[in-house]
Amino acid sequence: AQTVTQSQPEMSVQEAETVTLSCTYDTSESNYYLFWYKQPPSRQMILVIRQEAYKQQNATENRFSVNFQKAAKSFSLKISDSQLGDTAMYFCAFMKSSSGSNYKLTFGKGTLLTVNP
Amino acid sequence: DAGITQSPRHKVTETGTPVTLRCHQTENHRYMYWYRQDPGHGLRLIHYSYGVKDTDKGEVSDGYSVSRSKTEDFLLTLESATSSQTSVYFCAISEPRTGGRTEAFFGQGTRLTVV
Repeated sequence: AQTVTQSQPEMSVQEAETVTLSCTYDTSESNYYLFWYKQPPSRQMILVIRQEAYKQQNATENRFSVNFQKAAKSFSLKISDSQLGDTAMYFCAFMKSSSGSNYKLTFGKGTLLTVNP
Repeated sequence: DAGITQSPRHKVTETGTPVTLRCHQTENHRYMYWYRQDPGHGLRLIHYSYGVKDTDKGEVSDGYSVSRSKTEDFLLTLESATSSQTSVYFCAISEPRTGGRTEAFFGQGTRLTVV
């Protein structure tokens, strides 16, 4: 079974600064996807960024980027130029990419990020 | 936004009563999931469906049952609610895509309180 570990229950950052959220995972699979989801106080689960394990290039989406280290099974999220609207719970998630897996997600416990003005 | 609607959005019920939560999608996605979210646990999979009438258990399925009679609807039933089932419940849908774009889309969540 896969496990996802987020070792930082809470973090805070000043507006306009950069912050990195950590995620490690454990799997014996070679083909999989990794995701970061954001959950603001509205409770909505919003996909922030996705990474395919077969791609060596790190994914980026505007101010959000990842550092994907497949051998180390590490998948950290970097948020640049932090904004007040980035305040949310962030979840790291793992999905096996084979149809036999039924594309289920395994989540970490989350990191609560607070952006301070 | 993906067309996923959960109902009800909030519910308070008494211990021992049956409760059914509904997830309705308009995306024609094959896969549907029910997760529960609890502080300190993240989201955990309760049950999932890989087609009409095809369902299976997740990691925290005890006390829950599901049904999927149509592609668009996935029902989660608590046969006899207990206080440990007080939680926020999320429905999600997924459809495998080529090019690595498989992802899950989530409903708005249902906050269930069992008193």
